[in-house]
Amino acid sequence: DSGVTQTPKHLITATGQRVTLRCSPRSGDLSVYWYQQSLDQGLQFLIQYYNGEERAKGNILERFSAQQFPDLHSELNLSSLELGDSALYFCASSVDSGRAAPDTQYFGPGTRLTVL
Amino acid sequence: AQSVAQPEDQVNVAEGNPLTVKCTYSVSGNPYLFWYVQYPNRGLQFLLKYITGDNLVKGSYGFEAEFNKSQTSFHLKKPSALVSDSALYFCAVRPASGTYKYIFGTGTRLKVLA
Repeated sequence: DSGVTQTPKHLITATGQRVTLRCSPRSGDLSVYWYQQSLDQGLQFLIQYYNGEERAKGNILERFSAQQFPDLHSELNLSSLELGDSALYFCASSVDSGRAAPDTQYFGPGTRLTVL
Repeated sequence: AQSVAQPEDQVNVAEGNPLTVKCTYSVSGNPYLFWYVQYPNRGLQFLLKYITGDNLVKGSYGFEAEFNKSQTSFHLKKPSALVSDSALYFCAVRPASGTYKYIFGTGTRLKVLA
């Protein structure tokens, strides 16, 4: 168990809908990362938040948005869902203690999103 | 463009034999390099990372990786494979400067045969 929790485990929804995925980082970790894993695109980095602020943006669609709250949990919002958004969405967290070198990322178990 | 390549979709090895999972990268400047493993229906687990210093990095479960700057490679190795090592392995890179973005390879499925 990595200490990172994600809810829900599974989500089934229809095209055009909006969903919210939730992530609680390990205690003490300031950074949260979101990833999308699909069969055809592999593991894609979406976005990173550090202590409430956006730090890095990857291949995140405009229909997707994220935020990190004062208690450091994070939510990933996916809207106007398309069939191609079906994937496993992972959250990871790391301490990011202020050193230049990156700290280890610890991954949650993922949320499996199915868009019908 | 910055990228990570894992040239083999699958690697098969007999139990007890040495294993190698290949990774090459293309980034501007110095890289931070990582290996993660994913077991079925689980999240990724950290194996090891190269930050600086000794080119040979030792990690979890007896795995090690060698950073080769001239060949821009970071191959994952283990002297003696176990059936329980069968999983999906991901190489990742983050440039040391200019961005906090992580780039992952497409993954290599390792199958260790008894």
